[in-house]
Amino acid sequence: RKEVEQDPGPFNVPEGATVAFNCTYSNSASQSFFWYRQDCRKEPKLLMSVYSSGNEDGRFTAQLNRASQYISLLIRDSKLSDSATYLCVVINAGNMLTFGGGTRLMVKP
Amino acid sequence: EPEVTQTPSHQVTQMGQEVILRCVPISNHLYFYWYRQILGQKVEFLVSFYNNEISEKSEIFDDQFSVERPDGSNFTLKIRSTKLEDSAMYFCASSSGTQYEQYFGPGTRLTVT
Repeated sequence: RKEVEQDPGPFNVPEGATVAFNCTYSNSASQSFFWYRQDCRKEPKLLMSVYSSGNEDGRFTAQLNRASQYISLLIRDSKLSDSATYLCVVINAGNMLTFGGGTRLMVKP
Repeated sequence: EPEVTQTPSHQVTQMGQEVILRCVPISNHLYFYWYRQILGQKVEFLVSFYNNEISEKSEIFDDQFSVERPDGSNFTLKIRSTKLEDSAMYFCASSSGTQYEQYFGPGTRLTVT
């Protein structure tokens, strides 16, 4: 079983739509969780950390369900500039980031 | 806003040659990392470095790889004898603490011919 699993997509949505991505992780001892976004041939950029209580940053909302080992990202009012690959990332013990394969989002006019 | 920088942006080398990839982490960060991403694949951890020593390394980080912080600002990754399969994007990252967010540099694209 993959350590961090994501639907690769692509998710094709119109501007203004709401889209949700899910991610599951296999290690129940995982301690920290993040969403990064990656544009084509660029570096991963931190989008937000994910907390047990859930957290929101503008149009983005992240949720963590430790019991189900499940992380989600909701994007409201999608913009063309949201088109990217969204990476679910987990830290187990230590500092090593474990990346999912990413979910590709394409927002169309 | 402080950022991680990396040089060169693209390095082409012949199989068997040594390469050194350079990074300048964010200045008040204490933890440094190297990751790689083969084209079309996911980002993979190579090594983490703290207090002038390796704190974790993956199976990919074999004897051909080494890291060094030669001065107060630079952090380098050396590959002693490059193989074709070392062709990838190499990202440096840094963080201010353990379990904290890591910030990535723009990467060095390494092409081994």
